[in-house]
Amino acid sequence: GAGVSQTPSNKVTEKGKYVELRCDPISGHTALYWYRQSLGQGPEFLIYFQGTGAADDSGLPNDRFFAVRPEGSVSTLKIQRTERGDSAVYLCASRFEGGTGELFFGEGSRLTVL
Amino acid sequence: GQQLNQSPQSMFIQEGEDVSMNCTSSSIFNTWLWYKQDPGEGPVLLIALYKAGELTSNGRLTAQFGITRKDSFLNISASIPSDVGIYFCAGQFEGGKLIFGQGTELSVKP
Repeated sequence: GAGVSQTPSNKVTEKGKYVELRCDPISGHTALYWYRQSLGQGPEFLIYFQGTGAADDSGLPNDRFFAVRPEGSVSTLKIQRTERGDSAVYLCASRFEGGTGELFFGEGSRLTVL
Repeated sequence: GQQLNQSPQSMFIQEGEDVSMNCTSSSIFNTWLWYKQDPGEGPVLLIALYKAGELTSNGRLTAQFGITRKDSFLNISASIPSDVGIYFCAGQFEGGKLIFGQGTELSVKP
């Protein structure tokens, strides 16, 4: 498709399990962003990539969270030893470097940790 | 995480009324943006503001970038039922990183 694609759209897991969330950005977009949105809140920044490298990971809450973008396109957000407080919608956005630089968001992956 | 101060948190209005919401920050931004988010969807950009003092319109939407670069407001005129949703302000840093407000939930009664 033409937009940002995120999978899975819903993930239910048990406390302590490992989870991977995938983001497929718009073709040609070099910048990719991960956000976390809790119920009733605005999206909170986690990390962003310029190409393959993490340009800013200051929003990652702790070392259980990690993200990669090995080929500068698809990105995976990895959460180890999940906790109930990790339950949220994880949004991905991509951006073309140039023009207005608008961020285009995917529909998100809803993570529920039981 | 860091968030902007957005108010009001929610609004219940009659169709046809005008709406105003605003956002303040302790940080200076070079770009302010306003997004709308529908249930189960990601945020969608409504208006982008690039210069302090700039006033920009998009149909029934008007937004202004404050002179101090620390605030912005969004007005919606003559609201209609499809305006229902959650509106977010966002300040943008160099490199594209966005910091969002807490959101304003708008309900429109026909």
